[in-house]
Amino acid sequence: GENVEQHPSTLSVQEGDSAVIKCTYSDSASNYFPWYKQELGKRPQLIIDIRSNVGEKKDQRIAVTLNKTAKHFSLHITETQPEDSAVYFCAAIPGNTDKLIFGTGTRLQVFP
Amino acid sequence: DAGVTQSPTHLIKTRGQQVTLRCSPKSGHDTVSWYQQALGQGPQFIFQYYEEEERQRGNFPDRFSGHQFPNYSSELNVNALLLGDSALYLCASSSNRDGGETQYFGPGTRLLVL
Repeated sequence: GENVEQHPSTLSVQEGDSAVIKCTYSDSASNYFPWYKQELGKRPQLIIDIRSNVGEKKDQRIAVTLNKTAKHFSLHITETQPEDSAVYFCAAIPGNTDKLIFGTGTRLQVFP
Repeated sequence: DAGVTQSPTHLIKTRGQQVTLRCSPKSGHDTVSWYQQALGQGPQFIFQYYEEEERQRGNFPDRFSGHQFPNYSSELNVNALLLGDSALYLCASSSNRDGGETQYFGPGTRLLVL
């Protein structure tokens, strides 16, 4: 069935370092891959997304890469700051649907 | 530009009771999706409403039902509550005209079933 796996489950970095979170998806017809940031007790916030016709997208310190052949996509955060600390979820929309299938989340901690 | 809103913010019910949660989509959006987020997990898709009809449904029992109104707002109803229904219920809105993929979440309703 439709599935999204996410690694690692926790990630601790020093302020200024880079952080990378990786996801794989099962449905080869998936065509939209958003990333959400969720702070404690708050709503998931869309931070970046990528469509299947694009290999990479960047927005300031955040970038996402997509490898359709391997069914992998990754979130890269450079020059991390303490306010980047949160749970990050990857998601995918399988073919012929509009439902988001979420990964299990990565808890990112950025230490000053 | 009003974002997605949900009510109530918190709710406590007992087993067997029924609950109704409400969602107003972002201005300009016509599609509402509902998700259940258990503690420490990612959101799970319940169903999606467009043009006042349920368009897609996830793996949730018939105890979960919904409705969409002509103004695009939506309700989620859960009957015969179980302890396992305790979770954060999120609604997300999107625009079918724009492809329907990009979904923005509301703040959620935290439901506790005792």
